[in-house]
Amino acid sequence: DVKVTQSSRYLVKRTGEKVFLECVQDMDHENMFWYRQDPGLGLRLIYFSYDVKMKEKGDIPEGYSVSREKKERFSLILESASTNQTSMYLCASQGGNSPLHFGNGTRLTVT
Amino acid sequence: GQQVMQIPQYQHVQEGEDFTTYCNSSTTLSNIQWYKQRPGGHPVFLIQLVKSGEVKKQKRLTFQFGEAKKNSSLHITATQTTDVGTYFCAATYNFNKFYFGSGTKLNVKP
Repeated sequence: DVKVTQSSRYLVKRTGEKVFLECVQDMDHENMFWYRQDPGLGLRLIYFSYDVKMKEKGDIPEGYSVSREKKERFSLILESASTNQTSMYLCASQGGNSPLHFGNGTRLTVT
Repeated sequence: GQQVMQIPQYQHVQEGEDFTTYCNSSTTLSNIQWYKQRPGGHPVFLIQLVKSGEVKKQKRLTFQFGEAKKNSSLHITATQTTDVGTYFCAATYNFNKFYFGSGTKLNVKP
């Protein structure tokens, strides 16, 4: 069974802090994704990566960056956290014709 | 980016009633997937539709893909309390970029 692990379930950070959200998958999937989920807005794509060191912007990349140095790991970075980045962050991986497999999510609160 | 419209946003039903959620796109989709997210959980894959006019069933759930591949629906017959959650469609237009609808939150009263 595919396992996607997000490093933290809950995080509380202060405005202006640099925040790292980590995601690891164990299925050798080529594609990895970061979404944020807000009530009434569904899941919005922040960034995705289709290979090591490759990345593409999603619909809402502003204020975020990503890193994929190894195939199994995809990191989301908030360079300077702001209160409007308080949200649920979901990482997903996908390979071949498989569906998206999600991690349990990280609920980030920026105060 | 591409948009997938999903309605309704909320649905409250009595146990035993039917439920339907709809997704629409203004452009042709490569395929569409459906996910279910239980309260406090993460989205879990239910099914994928690829062919024009395709209909698939999973027990009480029926999934349809429109003839023009621009819309899809999920219908649940005789809802149960275990059906509670938010149902999302996710569309791909090209490559492996998945665009999610805003979700339909289903509440089932026993």
